[in-house]
Amino acid sequence: DTEVTQTPKHLVMGMTNKKSLKCEQHMGHRAMYWYKQKAKKPPELMFVYSYEKLSINESVPSRFSPECPNSSLLNLHLHALQPEDSALYLCASSQQQAYNEQFFGPGTRLTVL
Amino acid sequence: QKEVEQDPGPLSVPEGAIVSLNCTYSNSAFQYFMWYRQYSRKGPELLMYTYSSGNKEDGRFTAQVDKSSKYISLFIRDSQPSDSATYLCAMSGGSNYKLTFGKGTLLTVNP
Repeated sequence: DTEVTQTPKHLVMGMTNKKSLKCEQHMGHRAMYWYKQKAKKPPELMFVYSYEKLSINESVPSRFSPECPNSSLLNLHLHALQPEDSALYLCASSQQQAYNEQFFGPGTRLTVL
Repeated sequence: QKEVEQDPGPLSVPEGAIVSLNCTYSNSAFQYFMWYRQYSRKGPELLMYTYSSGNKEDGRFTAQVDKSSKYISLFIRDSQPSDSATYLCAMSGGSNYKLTFGKGTLLTVNP
């Protein structure tokens, strides 16, 4: 089963709201990633978790806060977002961080009003 | 010079055509090469994964890597309308395992 699931599929939020995106994989992968993708652009890496520890933070603003509760789950907590944060947020996983074969979820389409 | 160059297209072909998609890169440390297919408003789907130079075939898809020329290709034989999507090349290697993506090529296969 090479599936990464993400919830919700769509999210609309105001600039003062707090919301969370969720990601789950059951492939036994030990590295999980958050990406942001704007229309007609490739995915941009935001965070990497390796063995449930934050490994890479690509200088993402603090209004995005990742969390890895266990090896199968990855959350992205959102607070005080800006309209320019509207994008497709993608979760991915790989066997380990050193394994480049990354499997992506379907994404959450976020709109910030 | 960008690390990975990919012609964004759009590329439009008739059903049954052979499609050739390409990326060039400048970082000689890249050793792992991937092709992703992304349908509109969906997540990228890993199509092909190759290490170093050579060819890899999977059904109608063939990936080629020429490290000496820093050039990778994806060939799609007998293209189908369901192949209509954006194709992203991605690569990594060296001490930084971060994926570097091309901009993606939008392909339309017309029935």
